[in-house]
Amino acid sequence: SYELTQPPSVSVSPGQTARITCSGDALPKQYAYWYQQKPGQAPVLVIYKDSERPSGIPERFSGSSSGTTVTLTISGVQAEDEADYYCQSADSSFVVFGGGTKLTVL
Amino acid sequence: EVQLVESGGGLVKPGGSLRLSCAASGFTFSSYSMNWVRQAPGKGLEWVSSISSSSSYIYYADSVKGRFTISRDNAKNSLYLQMNSLRAEDTAVYYCARAADHSGMDVWGQGTTVTVSS
Repeated sequence: SYELTQPPSVSVSPGQTARITCSGDALPKQYAYWYQQKPGQAPVLVIYKDSERPSGIPERFSGSSSGTTVTLTISGVQAEDEADYYCQSADSSFVVFGGGTKLTVL
Repeated sequence: EVQLVESGGGLVKPGGSLRLSCAASGFTFSSYSMNWVRQAPGKGLEWVSSISSSSSYIYYADSVKGRFTISRDNAKNSLYLQMNSLRAEDTAVYYCARAADHSGMDVWGQGTTVTVSS
């Protein structure tokens, strides 16, 4: 098994760009996924295969990968984007989530 | 509508057992791998177990290995999690989630709450 490390919190003002990182030794070899979770709700997939966006997810959400770090970028942050965000990856027999990052929109 | 609905949660004493169910609808259940993911109160997401579409491959987190058993019935479009020897640290909301190869967990249920307490 391995770990994914995220910052506990990120704060941005509306309209700015938020970047949430996720680090893990296996990320160069495995895809990363990102989930958004609002209080009292189930998680929602916002990025898959490092940088692909599911249908219905706004274009302001994007993902990128560089070495052992993947990044979720939210451009033009809106108040409704305030939520917890989790990265996730997997190997052949194991799934791992990062500890989560609370995005606060100031 | 693609939907997953969990059931079976509740209050159970330490050492007890519980069986969770997840009913799938709106998609070809037998074509997808499925996962159980839990979230303890105020904590992050924790993967629990995965099962492939035909039940050929089954995996567990170390924290539940030997105590929990995942299974599925494709004829009934249902996923299950048998939880034995429950501990206080198993207290969490349990979600079932659909997964396709390299597509992530793209459909989640609303969760069912398990509380382990004397």
